[in-house]
Amino acid sequence: KAGVTQTPRYLIKTRGQQVTLSCSPISGHRSVSWYQQTPGQGLQFLFEYFSETQRNKGNFPGRFSGRQFSNSRSEMNVSTLELGDSALYLCASSLLTSGLDTQYFGPGTRLTVL
Amino acid sequence: DQQVKQNSPSLSVQEGRISILNCDYTNSMFDYFLWYKKYPAEGPTFLISISSIKDKNEDGRFTVFLNKSAKHLSLHIVPSQPGDSAVYFCAASVQGAQKLVFGQGTRLTINP
Repeated sequence: KAGVTQTPRYLIKTRGQQVTLSCSPISGHRSVSWYQQTPGQGLQFLFEYFSETQRNKGNFPGRFSGRQFSNSRSEMNVSTLELGDSALYLCASSLLTSGLDTQYFGPGTRLTVL
Repeated sequence: DQQVKQNSPSLSVQEGRISILNCDYTNSMFDYFLWYKKYPAEGPTFLISISSIKDKNEDGRFTVFLNKSAKHLSLHIVPSQPGDSAVYFCAASVQGAQKLVFGQGTRLTINP
């Protein structure tokens, strides 16, 4: 079974631009979560989607948004990019058969904001 | 307010010996704990997990111990192998909430 895939793997943008990242979960997984990893803040939760609905949201500004499609694929968007948005963005999916579900991560998208 | 803490930024262990990585948490609502291994520029790889109803879980060379009264968990790797060199993250969540709270990570180096 294929793992979580994320596209693109690398992205360079300039301040003020917007960016869209894509995530395809493991087949059959219905929950998709997004995380940001930076050297200073570590791994931080952005949001989680299930059945096309955002169920949980982390402490990030409204410039960070996401959505999930009916096939469980997800996208996240960052508008008005700032230098501090440079990070590794990770997507994780889980099956959600019980309350204790392991999240499996994709390889990440490395975003550099110049 | 860091709810999950890994107080050792790095750990160096000789090949074949036991590696012990530690993690403390403050939120008593956490009831599911996971360990992930991560290489630079890659996503975390799931290693092992434990629910709060257990105090130990084993999977091959990896064992996780949970001490709920101390709000402490540890990952034991026996025997340690060079391929185990990576950054290890512990993470915690509340049942039903797909929101992982991560520690800052411990860089494990296995020396031949």
